[in-house]
Amino acid sequence: DTAVSQTPKYLVTQMGNDKSIKCEQNLGHDTMYWYKQDSKKFLKIMFSYNNKELIINETVPNRFSPKSPDKAHLNLHINSLELGDSAVYFCASSHRQGKNTEAFFGQGTRLTVV
Amino acid sequence: AQSVAQPEDQVNVAEGNPLTVKCTYSVSGNPYLFWYVQYPNRGLQFLLKYITGDNLVKGSYGFEAEFNKSQTSFHLKKPSALVSDSALYFCAVRDKNTDKLIFGTGTRLQVFP
Repeated sequence: DTAVSQTPKYLVTQMGNDKSIKCEQNLGHDTMYWYKQDSKKFLKIMFSYNNKELIINETVPNRFSPKSPDKAHLNLHINSLELGDSAVYFCASSHRQGKNTEAFFGQGTRLTVV
Repeated sequence: AQSVAQPEDQVNVAEGNPLTVKCTYSVSGNPYLFWYVQYPNRGLQFLLKYITGDNLVKGSYGFEAEFNKSQTSFHLKKPSALVSDSALYFCAVRDKNTDKLIFGTGTRLQVFP
């Protein structure tokens, strides 16, 4: 069973298009995240949701809009894609409190904007 | 602001030798510290964590890390490196005020046969 799964794994699209990445976790975690990994492998948090409520919203363009229909799902919609959006996007989940707050990551979605 | 630093972009070690990947942190209060590994074209895998208790924590694949409060360090170690340990390693700290998991810049470990 895949703990954190995200789809698609690869996404190639043209500038200006709108695309979505889906994420689901079956770990019973109450918190989910989106991270962006750039070409230098730097990892930066974009958003965090706890029980469907937005708790972290970093300085991310408004073109990026997360949606959490329930606490097991956190999707990322991106409008008007730009070349600079090309990166690997990782979904993750964790418990928010307690001693077991390590995050578990999906396999990533490699987004290429052409 | 809470942060972690990984001073080495790359660490090279011969198979069978001990390895150390360095991490220092800057936090207020007691830190929650983590190590993750990323193999090529894969997601991050959790290796180990320090929350409280013993300063030496053991994790997956024979890795361990030592929490040193006076030196604000959390170095990752393994007594005998394997070629299959070659990967990108990330140190991270959880900011308990914001719940953010903040990552270091990563260290590429290369183990040579």
